[in-house]
Amino acid sequence: GNSVTQMEGPVTLSEEAFLTINCTYTATGYPSLFWYVQYPGEGLQLLLKATKADDKGSNKGFEATYRKETTSFHLEKGSVQVSDSAVYFCALSDRAGNQFYFGTGTSLTVIP
Amino acid sequence: DGGITQSPKYLFRKEGQNVTLSCEQNLNHDAMYWYRQDPGQGLRLIYYSQIVNDFQKGDIAEGYSVSREKKESFPLTVTSAQKNPTAFYLCASSIDERDALGNQPQHFGDGTRLSIL
Repeated sequence: GNSVTQMEGPVTLSEEAFLTINCTYTATGYPSLFWYVQYPGEGLQLLLKATKADDKGSNKGFEATYRKETTSFHLEKGSVQVSDSAVYFCALSDRAGNQFYFGTGTSLTVIP
Repeated sequence: DGGITQSPKYLFRKEGQNVTLSCEQNLNHDAMYWYRQDPGQGLRLIYYSQIVNDFQKGDIAEGYSVSREKKESFPLTVTSAQKNPTAFYLCASSIDERDALGNQPQHFGDGTRLSIL
């Protein structure tokens, strides 16, 4: 079946530190992969996406590369800011069934 | 602007009552979804609908009901049979990927927080 596994948090970093949030997946076929961000009390917002192997999604300084050989889609940012504090969700889309599968989320806190 | 509107933002329920959470979208999306989010946890799928007048149970459908009479609307009823309804409920929509070219992400509303009095 399909599933997504994220590194557990919470993660606390100092401003300007390097961020990596690991995400691996299990899927049949060729899923699309996504990172979503959730700020306190709000819904999820799409951060970036990738549709096929070796695609790199990027947005607001965040990047993630679709690695089929390692079934991974790790989120990275070179220099985090306090405003990046949020919960980050990795997700995959099963094109065959039009369903989405989410990881459990990783809480990030950036301190000044 | 197109988007998904969930209402109300906060909702309170007495024991034994049914309550209905509203979700409306003007994105012309075919598929709509309801998720439940508990503190410190991920999203769990309650119900989803890929087309009007049709819907399927997700992983935790017990104690919930839905309807899809219109493409734009997918209300969720939390019935008295749901023993632990306190949670944050998220509605989402997407274009049916089987009809689309390329990947199509889900779009989310801002959520409804349900609490029991």
